[in-house]
Amino acid sequence: QSVLTQPPSVSGAPGQRVTISCTGSSPNSGASYAVHWYQQLPGRAPKLLIYGNNNRPSGVPERFSASRSGTSASLAISGLQAEDEADYYCQSYDSRLSDSVVFGGGTKLTVL
Amino acid sequence: QLQLQESGPGLVKPSETLSLTCTVSGASISRTSYYWAWVRQPPGKGLEWIGSIYYSGSTYYNPSLKSRVIESVDTSRNQFSLMLSSLTAADTAVYYCAAHFDSQSFDYWGQGNLVTVSP
Repeated sequence: QSVLTQPPSVSGAPGQRVTISCTGSSPNSGASYAVHWYQQLPGRAPKLLIYGNNNRPSGVPERFSASRSGTSASLAISGLQAEDEADYYCQSYDSRLSDSVVFGGGTKLTVL
Repeated sequence: QLQLQESGPGLVKPSETLSLTCTVSGASISRTSYYWAWVRQPPGKGLEWIGSIYYSGSTYYNPSLKSRVIESVDTSRNQFSLMLSSLTAADTAVYYCAAHFDSQSFDYWGQGNLVTVSP
């Protein structure tokens, strides 16, 4: 069971804005570490989407944004497009687990 | 621009040991500050970090897998490897190699290697 909790699924129509939450299981579990987000298209390897809580790597559209507050984070996708349909994962580190890498359980985004 | 490529078997038997290798191109393993990691994904499920290794050989592993995992690095071949012992069907997954800085995001990923554990 992930120490980072994400909703199993979200959906939205083209052009809409959706958000995906990522909540840490304990106030002390990872407050000192940044949260990162990955997009995984069907049949493909994960791809870094957001790093350091709210930074986009080169080539990632501005439609993707993220924020962080305490042990919770969220990913927002505005101007939803069909090509955004994918699984999204948050990731951080857990100081309670010897600074282990932790992933959220993943959220399936469906574009209606 | 780093590129990572996994190699290894697609089918292994229960109780055996899985051995996978990741070949890195675009940079020397021993001349960057990246940690070299393994992440797996069972069919239809989420991502699970297995462990990470630095070029010096320093490692840290997922506590839930630590007793069965050994990671190593071969700087002369610019490769790093994973050994996972005492396999069961629950170890069936796509195994990815990846690169990350200390306590940071996983910036680069391999394309993945599907491993099925079956008699």
